[in-house]
Amino acid sequence: EIVMTQSPDTLSVSPGERTTLSCRASQTVTSNLAWYQQKPGQAPRLLIYGASTRATGIPSRFSGSGSVTEFTLTISSLQSEDFALYYCQQYNSWPITFGQGTRLEIK
Amino acid sequence: EVQLLESGGGLIQPGGSLRLSCAASGFTFSSLAMNWVRQAPGKGLEWVSTIRDSGTRTYYADSVKGRFTVSRDNSKNTLFLQMNSLRAEDTAVYFCAKGDTDSWYAFRDWGRGTLVTVSS
Repeated sequence: EIVMTQSPDTLSVSPGERTTLSCRASQTVTSNLAWYQQKPGQAPRLLIYGASTRATGIPSRFSGSGSVTEFTLTISSLQSEDFALYYCQQYNSWPITFGQGTRLEIK
Repeated sequence: EVQLLESGGGLIQPGGSLRLSCAASGFTFSSLAMNWVRQAPGKGLEWVSTIRDSGTRTYYADSVKGRFTVSRDNSKNTLFLQMNSLRAEDTAVYFCAKGDTDSWYAFRDWGRGTLVTVSS
């Protein structure tokens, strides 16, 4: 099983700032990596797939990069609606696995 | 518009069985793999199971293998999850999710989830 480790667990950032969330895979996932945003009481929302492709309707302030085992999600200028939980997911091999999540909170 | 609507959750005693359903609409159901993902209260996301478009291939998390069975009825656009020998640790919101033709396993669409509570 590929273990996905996100860092940090919690990130405190001010609105308008740029921030980067990290995700590391225990073995290669090539570019089969997705990022999700989840708000309380809601289903996750797909932000990025293929490590760097924005999903339909996702604002351009969200960008993904990386390959093999190291990945990042960057939010260029944080808006109030961006404060939420973020998960990475690998779908390169079975079982599909998620990271433990990074909570993005307002500083 | 894509819609995924889960049903069948509820309170069940340990050792019991439950069958979840996910009614799909707004896309060609028979062309895509379908998935179940769960989230225990206050915890992260856990992939549970995937069934390929034709239903001939299925995949399971180790935590549910041998107890859960995924199936689909392409004539009724419905996904199922038969859950047997339920344990307290199976308590979670169960989401039905799907990818898209360019990425089957990046989950683009999700239902709202159905809560399963395993407790005596």
